[in-house]
Amino acid sequence: SYVLTQSPSVSVAPGRTARITCMGNNIGTKSVHWYQQKPGQAPLLVISYDSDRPSGIPERFSGSNSGNTATLSIVRVEAGDEADYYCQVWHTSSNVIFGGGTKLTV
Amino acid sequence: QVHLVQSGPEVKKPGASVKVSCKASGYSFIIYGIIWVRQAPGRGLEWIGWISTHNGSPNYDQQFHGRVTLTADTSTTTAHMELRSLRYDDTATYFCARALVGGGLDYWGQGTLVTVSS
Repeated sequence: SYVLTQSPSVSVAPGRTARITCMGNNIGTKSVHWYQQKPGQAPLLVISYDSDRPSGIPERFSGSNSGNTATLSIVRVEAGDEADYYCQVWHTSSNVIFGGGTKLTV
Repeated sequence: QVHLVQSGPEVKKPGASVKVSCKASGYSFIIYGIIWVRQAPGRGLEWIGWISTHNGSPNYDQQFHGRVTLTADTSTTTAHMELRSLRYDDTATYFCARALVGGGLDYWGQGTLVTVSS
């Protein structure tokens, strides 16, 4: 089955740029969605279809997807961005696949 | 506003069954599928399955095949997930979310903690 691989953790200083990657075989041919999850909360969709920001998500969040790697970028990182981040794709039009998650420490 | 409201926490013994509900409101129920995801304590997100609210057709992750049943009642705009033969490692928070096929999960329920304990 299809596997999405994320680094377990990323650490960044406030005000800098965080880049969280999601690797999968030819992931560039799929649409990638990204979620932010804070402790005790449900996940929040922050990027859909590789690079679209849902309403209410700050412009500091952006996404890209090419080849075997999708990337979530957060510029001007704030303390409130500290959370777990998950990538997700649909595989074979009927199965949902999540990456293992990346813990962002600010 | 779109809301997905789940049923309350459950404590079950090993071998028992649990049924979690997800009441949708604020949108046309039959347009979006309902996805079920679980998260064990301290672990990542794990997809269980999804159901088309349009025709009631479910798809399950292979590891849950035979133990889980997803249903959707269009008259009450409520989706249900039943998990049978519970094991200790089924202890997790179970989430429902809505999505179009191929799309992101844009609205989530608040989660339902299911604890399996003797």
